[in-house]
Formats: sequence, structure tokens, C-alpha cells
Amino acid sequence: DAKTTQPTSMDCAEGRAANLPCNHSTISGNEYVYWYRQIHSQGPQYIIHGLKNNETNEMASLIITEDRKSSTLILPHATLRDTAVYYCIVRVGSSGNTGKLIFGQGTTLQVKP
Amino acid sequence: DSGVTQTPKHLITATGQRVTLRCSPRSGDLSVYWYQQSLDQGLQFLIQYYNGEERAKGNILERFSAQQFPDLHSELNLSSLELGDSALYFCASSAPTGGRGGRETQYFGPGTRLLVL
Repeated sequence: DAKTTQPTSMDCAEGRAANLPCNHSTISGNEYVYWYRQIHSQGPQYIIHGLKNNETNEMASLIITEDRKSSTLILPHATLRDTAVYYCIVRVGSSGNTGKLIFGQGTTLQVKP
Repeated sequence: DSGVTQTPKHLITATGQRVTLRCSPRSGDLSVYWYQQSLDQGLQFLIQYYNGEERAKGNILERFSAQQFPDLHSELNLSSLELGDSALYFCASSAPTGGRGGRETQYFGPGTRLLVL
């Protein structure tokens, strides 16, 4: 699975959009980009994932560059409850129903009032 | 609430002891994954089971073992415990997607916090 690079930490003002970048320059054509977050030692929470196209759900938007070497997770209106460690993970499309997640250090997002 | 349950929430034990952590996956999910999160190692994959069979292994110590039962719940057994085994242990589950690949989203339980004294 490809390696990802994320900033160690970021701040965001409450109510503003939080844009979390991720570099995955060695991503392969069959690898998906996944985002999870972990709020204070709780279980990691799935946010969103994508392959090529931009994706949006009720939590966030995922923007993947055309060359797929980087992506940005967007939380449109950050709240204090969005303060968490955000993990960007790339993993190969599973075959034989395997698919471990390899977590890096993630980005600690601090949403400030 | 992810639908994945783990028991117990907290566990305190002594070095040399053996403990069992339990995980119930979401209804319909066939895969169960175990992860360990310690302060110095971050979140690390330990092992995966799919429909009762071991499917993938990560950095799981020989002192640790797991199994998945016919009702699909899973147990992680940790023996000869050492101080360094103190960590959060998470279970995740996912559903098969009929070969579409990469879309088997894993949903995590709340974890078991193990403290070895």
C-alpha cells in the first residue's frame, strides 16, 4: 500500500471550512484513498473514501487531484466536535476479502472557538 | 455508534497473566480486524478473520492469538502479558462487496483499554 504524508497539526476556526491535505505520490491505479478520524482515544471513525472522482457525503468532501497524487478532505463548517486526529490511508482494492488499514501519524486538527 | 461492540471496556491485570478481549461485528459483516494502539507505536494492524478463517496477519506477537466463531464474533487472546502490552485494542468489521474491491469500509468498535501492572 502506498505511503501517505500529512501535516502533523492544523488549526481551524469554528464555523470555517477545514481543509486537510494528504500526499500519496506513489499511489497505484487500484488504490483507494480513505479518511478516518479518531476523537480522543475513541475508535477510529470512517469519514469518506474515493478512487478517482471527488466524493461528498454528509460529513465531508474528498477532492482528489487528477493525477491522484494528492487529496484534500474538506469539513465544510468545522465545529469543536471535529477536533480529532485525521488519518489519510491508501489501500489496494481488496482481493480475497483482505484489506488491513495502515495508519500513519495523521493530522491533529484543533478547531478553535 | 458504529454497530461494533467490544467487551470489556477496561481491563487491568498483572504481568504474566492471560486475558481475552471480545468483539461482536456489525450485523452481516463477515470480516473482523484487530488493531493495537499504543502510545509509541500508533495504530497497528494485528490480524484479520473472514467468515471464521484467518485471512491476514500483521505484527501480532506469538503470545497473542485470535479466533472467529460460527456466530462471527471474535476473541483476541493475550497471554504472558508484559508491561508493554498496555494499549488500546480495537476491533473493526466490514462487509464483503462482491469483488468490487477497495470499498469494504471498516467500522471500528469503541475499544478495550488494557493496563498491565
